[in-house]
Amino acid sequence: DQQVKQNSPSLSVQEGRISILNCDYTNSMFDYFLWYKKYPAEGPTFLISISSIKDKNEDGRFTVFLNKSAKHLSLHIVPSQPGDSAVYFCAANYGGYQKVTFGIGTKLQVIP
Amino acid sequence: DTGVSQDPRHKITKRGQNVTFRCDPISEHNRLYWYRQTLGQGPEFLTYFQNEAQLEKSRLLSDRFSAERPKGSFSTLEIQRTEQGDSAMYLCASSFGQGDNSPLHFGNGTRLTVT
Repeated sequence: DQQVKQNSPSLSVQEGRISILNCDYTNSMFDYFLWYKKYPAEGPTFLISISSIKDKNEDGRFTVFLNKSAKHLSLHIVPSQPGDSAVYFCAANYGGYQKVTFGIGTKLQVIP
Repeated sequence: DTGVSQDPRHKITKRGQNVTFRCDPISEHNRLYWYRQTLGQGPEFLTYFQNEAQLEKSRLLSDRFSAERPKGSFSTLEIQRTEQGDSAMYLCASSFGQGDNSPLHFGNGTRLTVT
């Protein structure tokens, strides 16, 4: 039962353009959402998060959008850089509960 | 902040053997987690400690698995009588907080291969 779904296994974007990574969730109890980035042979690294009381959170080149009615969130990276090439995991939890549920990841390739 | 440290980075073992992994969290972090990641999947929650207390265990954590965090510092994850299905990346993470959504800080994992 995949409660957090990332339906695009991979994405290729030209350097300087926008990267949009999508994530859907099924558990209505989720109230906190996170994105992690993972390089090969390393553990995931926290990137950005958003609470369900917001619909947008921005941190530099990274913006996360949340559409609660559609149970959908997206991560925008503008402008994309070759160093952004990594696997991006969408994750969610609820009520400060420490069990974070992850999606299967989307592999982003930024082409110079 | 030296980050979360995991040892060993790689472990190859024969089916039926016992293995133990160690995790040293970021020193001021009171929460410690174990996750498992298999090929093509995201990290899956195994268990969680707040200080030395193990507060939750996933159904994925069979009787062959045991985790400890003595004194609320480092943690060990032991797998007894390993099976080929145990082959995975075992990730440790830590965070600091009290009932909030502090992000997890992951180590680089221990890759287990059971032959």
